[in-house]
Order: sequence, then C-alpha cells, then structure tokens
Amino acid sequence: SYELIQPPSVSVSPGQTATITCSGDKLGDKYISWYQQKPGQSPVLVIYYDAKRPSGIPERFSGSNSGNTATLTITGTQTMDEADYYCQAWDSSTAHVFGTGTKVTVL
Amino acid sequence: EVQLVESGGGVVRPGESLRLSCAASGFAFDDYGMSWVRQAPGKGLEWVSGINTAVGSAGYADSVKGRFSISRDNAKNSMYLQMNSLRVEDTALYFCVRGGWDGATKFDPWGQGTLVTVSS
Repeated sequence: SYELIQPPSVSVSPGQTATITCSGDKLGDKYISWYQQKPGQSPVLVIYYDAKRPSGIPERFSGSNSGNTATLTITGTQTMDEADYYCQAWDSSTAHVFGTGTKVTVL
Repeated sequence: EVQLVESGGGVVRPGESLRLSCAASGFAFDDYGMSWVRQAPGKGLEWVSGINTAVGSAGYADSVKGRFSISRDNAKNSMYLQMNSLRVEDTALYFCVRGGWDGATKFDPWGQGTLVTVSS
C-alpha cells in the first residue's frame, strides 16, 4: 500500500519560515493537498493541486511537489499557524492516503 | 455558506452496527463526490470511503471493506455510512467531507465530525 511520511514535529520562531515535508514513492507524479488542523477543530484545506491556495488562505502558505517529496512552506510564520498539518494524495492501489502528520510549534 | 453536518455517532459494542448521516447545504450536492474520513483519538487522518456522483461508484479503505457501505440520496442532499461488524479499532471521530473517491481531489470543506465509540 502507498505511504506518505512526514516528520513528527517542526519548530519555528515567529516570523521565520517553516518547512514541512511529505515523502512518498514518485510523489511528484501525483497531486498533493495539505490540511491544517488546530486542536479540537476540523481540518482545513490550505493547499491543493500541489501549489494552489483556496480562497481565504493567506499568501504565506505555499506548496511544491517534485521527485519523491512534497513541501508545504509557511513564510513569516505566525502563532496562529501552530497546528497539525497533513499531506494527502491519491494512489490507484490505495485510493486516498494521508500523511503521518506534522505538529508545527511556533516558539 | 457550504455546510456539512454529521449525525448518528454513539457508543456501541463490538459486532454491532451504526449508521452515520451527513446533511449537506449551500452547494449543488449532486455535482460533487463525497467521502468519509476518520480520526482515532490522538491519531492522524484516515480516508474511509467515498462515493461519486454516479450511482454505484464507491470506494473503501481496506480496513473497512466488506463491513461498511456508503450511499447517498441526492434528493435529500445527504450521504450515509452504514457500519456493520464494528470493531474496537473503528473508534474515531468520523468526518463528512466534500470530495470523491477516485482520482486526485481536494477535501473541502469538512464537517464537525460525529464520534463513534466501540467498546465492550
């Protein structure tokens, strides 16, 4: 079955850049979405089709996908960005797969 | 405003059944595929099942295949998940999401979730 691996945690200082990776076999051949989940809340889509931002999502969120790794970048991280982040892709053998999740701490 | 509202969760014993419902509003429901995604307590997200606009086109995660059945009623703007032979490991918050099951898609938006607890 297809797997997406993320680092368990990422720490970043306010105003700095947070980089969250998502690794999978030939991931660059697939479309990636990213979701933000704050404690006690439902996930929110922040990036889709690798690099597109839904309306209402701040420009500081950006995405890329190439080779075996997709990346979510938060430029100028704010304390409100502290959350769990999940990548997601579709694979023909497994259907939809979510990454293992990354907890972003802003301190 | 696009809204998804789940219901039907509860506490059941292993082997029992439960039916979840998702009521959609604010968009043309029959134009969209829909899915269920679950999250066990303190764990990550797991796609469970999805159904496309075409009648009969549905998919399931291996972990629920043969036990869960997804359906939709476009006249009622609703989606359902029939869960049979429930196991302790099915305990989770079940989210209704807009987004189909086959091919690249985005899941947006998400409902608030309904909690299913399977315990003896």
